[in-house]
Amino acid sequence: SAVISQKPSRDICQRGTSLTIQCQVDSQVTMMFWYRQQPGQSLTLIATANQGSEATYESGFVIDKFPISRPNLTFSTLTVSNMSPEDSSIYLCSVGLSGELFFGEGSRLTVL
Amino acid sequence: GDSVTQMEGPVTLSEEAFLTINCTYTATGYPSLFWYVQYPGEGLQLLLKATKADDKGSNKGFEATYRKETTSFHLEKGSVQVSDSAVYFCALSDRTGNQFYFGTGTSLTVIP
Repeated sequence: SAVISQKPSRDICQRGTSLTIQCQVDSQVTMMFWYRQQPGQSLTLIATANQGSEATYESGFVIDKFPISRPNLTFSTLTVSNMSPEDSSIYLCSVGLSGELFFGEGSRLTVL
Repeated sequence: GDSVTQMEGPVTLSEEAFLTINCTYTATGYPSLFWYVQYPGEGLQLLLKATKADDKGSNKGFEATYRKETTSFHLEKGSVQVSDSAVYFCALSDRTGNQFYFGTGTSLTVIP
């Protein structure tokens, strides 16, 4: 299994600002994923972040809006840039390990 | 492509009632199937899984059987408790284990 810590757990942000979410894993993992969960919705994959390569973004998500770093096998960051109220969501970091997905507790962002 | 279709919610049950949440899938090959649970204010946790046809996953009184003939993985519990109130997500991973697909989630509320 994997234990995943995300920071911040929640934040209230002003329109037009940017926020970086950190994800720390207690073991080395190749595959890390960033998901968005809008209020009352299911999970939407934003991007896959593999160490040593550029993140792969899903349709509808672009690097300028959601830049991702993956400097090593235990850490990743997701930045939500130039935020608008539509970006208010829970952002979840997850890792793939032994055929399973493990999730952090999520970062709940509210944009005013 | 691969996908998961999950019973719409919300579902409200009285304590000790029987629970079924339907989940069907579309996939090429032999996916692994999962149920994840999200308690209020928390991230997703793996509840149970099954990796091949006729496998039964079980945990905390919940069960689901991988039915290839009906492409289903319905979640059941014989007697729900108030503490089972959560959102339940059905998911599959493809043959590579690198792609995961989630259902829309089913909100369950158990009342005393």
